[in-house]
Amino acid sequence: DQQVKQNSPSLSVQEGRISILNCDYTNSMFDYFLWYKKYPAEGPTFLISISSIKDKNEDGRFTVFLNKSAKHLSLHIVPSQPGDSAVYFCAALNTGNQFYFGTGTSLTVIP
Amino acid sequence: DTGVSQNPRHKITKRGQNVTFRCDPISEHNRLYWYRQTLGQGPEFLTYFQNEAQLEKSRLLSDRFSAERPKGSFSTLEIQRTEQGDSAMYLCASIGLAGGPGSEQYFGPGTRLTVT
Repeated sequence: DQQVKQNSPSLSVQEGRISILNCDYTNSMFDYFLWYKKYPAEGPTFLISISSIKDKNEDGRFTVFLNKSAKHLSLHIVPSQPGDSAVYFCAALNTGNQFYFGTGTSLTVIP
Repeated sequence: DTGVSQNPRHKITKRGQNVTFRCDPISEHNRLYWYRQTLGQGPEFLTYFQNEAQLEKSRLLSDRFSAERPKGSFSTLEIQRTEQGDSAMYLCASIGLAGGPGSEQYFGPGTRLTVT
């Protein structure tokens, strides 16, 4: 069963605009949520995380929002840059130290 | 290069053969994870080590799969009697001692397995 879901397989955004990537989860016991970015032929790289006790975390151009009641999180990238074009995975961590990943959203930032 | 390394990067094997992959984490990292990723999917958790102790195993890890981390440094993942369904990218990741929950995992480049 897919406990973390990314329902949009792809997203295209103009350079300079906002990119919003969405993620839903089913397990209310997840403690932390994370976003990873992946380029072809490389392993995922960590972007930003948020604790389940917070609703927002910001790091430069990247902001993650968590809505626990809706079991939904989103990643905002402002302003989007062509170098942001990659596959983005959201992930959730349970108390057993297991990470659950979504299926990914491929972001294309158009110059 | 002080990142996570994995060897080999690619492995082609015939069905029924055994394969072994190696992961070298960042040297001071005590936590190590193995994942499997198939096309169009995110990484799927397989197993987790803290130092040399294997603390978690996914139900995905059948009896044909075994992982070790004998000295708490590098780790190996062995698949016995490979099946075509084992074809995937196998990823390794590590987290440092001081990292709390949700800490950054550093991923290796992966080993792509193709079972013919």
